[in-house]
Amino acid sequence: EAGVAQSPRYKIIEKRQSVAFWCNPISGHATLYWYQQILGQGPKLLIQFQNNGVVDDSQLPKDRFSAERLKGVDSTLKIQPAKLEDSAVYLCASSLAANFEAFFGQGTRLTVV
Amino acid sequence: GDSVTQMEGPVTLSEEAFLTINCTYTATGYPSLFWYVQYPGEGLQLLLKATKADDKGSNKGFEATYRKETTSFHLEKGSVQVSDSAVYFCALRDDKIIFGKGTRLHILP
Repeated sequence: EAGVAQSPRYKIIEKRQSVAFWCNPISGHATLYWYQQILGQGPKLLIQFQNNGVVDDSQLPKDRFSAERLKGVDSTLKIQPAKLEDSAVYLCASSLAANFEAFFGQGTRLTVV
Repeated sequence: GDSVTQMEGPVTLSEEAFLTINCTYTATGYPSLFWYVQYPGEGLQLLLKATKADDKGSNKGFEATYRKETTSFHLEKGSVQVSDSAVYFCALRDDKIIFGKGTRLHILP
């Protein structure tokens, strides 16, 4: 079974630029999560989707971050404009439903310079 | 709000040593508890879980028991191997998954 796919694996941008990350969850998984993992810290939930609807985006900095999951499958996370403190690994995860095991992708490492 | 606190690393042990990584939590409800592992260059993987008090999760020789009275979920392994070197995250799920900061484990041959 294919796992959660994310791209790109690495991205370096200058502050104030824009960046987008892509996630393809495991087929059939209704719940999709985006996490931010800053170096030395645990992952922090940014947004949780159930199919194409948002369940929780309470920790998403909505002035600069946006995410969508059109058609309830793939998802994109965008940062515009980026700040230095956005440097982190962005993890996508999916699960059959909200209370089922979450499977994580390898993440996208973002460096903002 | 809900939170997870785990022992800071890095933890360095010799092969075949006994491992304990402490984890305590704060939650208003009755969360499920998890240990995730992140091997070098790989994504997070679920190591074990427990969904209610006194449950014991186990996998690959690792164990953790859900202790409601001490709000703890300590990870243990009787004899570690070099291949266990990784970062270990304790987590809880109430309405969302909340992770601890992670503990880096180094096992020396």
